Amino acid sequence: EAQVTQNPRYLITVTGKKLTVTCSQNMNHEYMSWYRQDPGLGLRQIYYSMNVEVTDKGDVPEGYKVSRKEKRNFPLILESPSPNQTSLYFCASRMMDRGSGMQYFGPGTRLTVT
Amino acid sequence: AQTVTQSQPEMSVQEAETVTLSCTYDTSESDYYLFWYKQPPSRQMILVIRQEAYKQQNATENRFSVNFQKAAKSFSLKISDSQLGDAAMYFCAYRRGITGANSKLTFGKGITLSVRP
Repeated sequence: EAQVTQNPRYLITVTGKKLTVTCSQNMNHEYMSWYRQDPGLGLRQIYYSMNVEVTDKGDVPEGYKVSRKEKRNFPLILESPSPNQTSLYFCASRMMDRGSGMQYFGPGTRLTVT
Repeated sequence: AQTVTQSQPEMSVQEAETVTLSCTYDTSESDYYLFWYKQPPSRQMILVIRQEAYKQQNATENRFSVNFQKAAKSFSLKISDSQLGDAAMYFCAYRRGITGANSKLTFGKGITLSVRP
């Protein structure tokens, strides 16, 4: 089954404690990205990757890091989480095409930073 | 920069009736794609319908159809014969048609649709 998986699905942590949210896809997609969803703001892109070792900032990259060492994995790293990073996070992937391709979303990770 | 506007935060519809969700967008591009996503309480993002800008014909998927007005930059979603399972948050989204660059999805703020039994 084609899918994007994220772990953990729920996480409560404290300010400053480094954490990683994993993302993996089984469709051999080149393009992967992270979004955060906040009430009244919709989803906004944090980082994206167009292939292995190729990553770049999206619209709201501050406080986040990513890596793409393998094609299937695209972890999101919060080196020093702060309460304003409390949000719902989605990983997504698709083929690198002109934009018509189906975008697959992970199930989301609910992060709370206290 | 492209923007997507959903001006109605909430709507309600009676079961079996029809409801239209509004969306406008702003872009200077000629090649792009528009989407409606559904987010039920499970928070899963589900693609409802997609429209290619170069197609004049409005997309249709079963009870879901769009009214795509390219000149007015309007992309509304019509849900016919509304069902209780249609209750969710709906997001309108835009994507540039481009190869080899960040073709991200730009989302509106979303609209919460409730369905009255």
